[in-house]
Amino acid sequence: TQLLEQSPQFLSIQEGENLTVYCNSSSVFSSLQWYRQEPGEGPVLLVTVVTGGEVKKLKRLTFQFGDARKDSSLHITAAQPGDTGLYLCAVIQGAQKLVFGQGTRLTINP
Amino acid sequence: DAMVIQNPRYQVTQFGKPVTLSCSQTLNHNVMYWYQQKSSQAPKLLFHYYDKDFNNEADTPDNFQSRRPNTSFCFLDIRSPGLGDAAMYLCATSRVGTDTQYFGPGTRLTVL
Repeated sequence: TQLLEQSPQFLSIQEGENLTVYCNSSSVFSSLQWYRQEPGEGPVLLVTVVTGGEVKKLKRLTFQFGDARKDSSLHITAAQPGDTGLYLCAVIQGAQKLVFGQGTRLTINP
Repeated sequence: DAMVIQNPRYQVTQFGKPVTLSCSQTLNHNVMYWYQQKSSQAPKLLFHYYDKDFNNEADTPDNFQSRRPNTSFCFLDIRSPGLGDAAMYLCATSRVGTDTQYFGPGTRLTVL
């Protein structure tokens, strides 16, 4: 059983559309991170959310941490081809051990 | 620019032939990690070093070993690669007490 369940696993949309991807768990976390990984590269940290209900914005990306700190969402407005990549949510477990969800592979078609 | 460097970016080895992957960092971080990422899967932690203190994950096969001769360098040794070990291997670093890990670009390992 995965600690973090991400949905959808695959998403392909047209440039300019909006989208939301989800990261869910039955566990409560003190913080949650979102990473983006482009093909052939390592993951890059986008944001860390720490407070229940917290909303953080990064240009066209909006991240929300659930009130109960068990889930999170990532919303992209007016998606662009440069947003294509693997989006991973992750939590710190124990002594700095990062555990990832299985990821959402996003493709934005021009 | 401070960064995490992995060499080589692509490595081909034969079934059973030992291989070593390398990682270096200019961030002067005291924690270094090795992750394995198989196709269409999330990165999975193999082990990490806190300075010279080695921490192995319980489900990391004995076939995988690591060395950290100094702060800047860390090596992943695969003693007898099997076909199932073909994957992207990611190195990451962090400063102890912080939540941010910085990843290198990875080494894609092919086992023939």
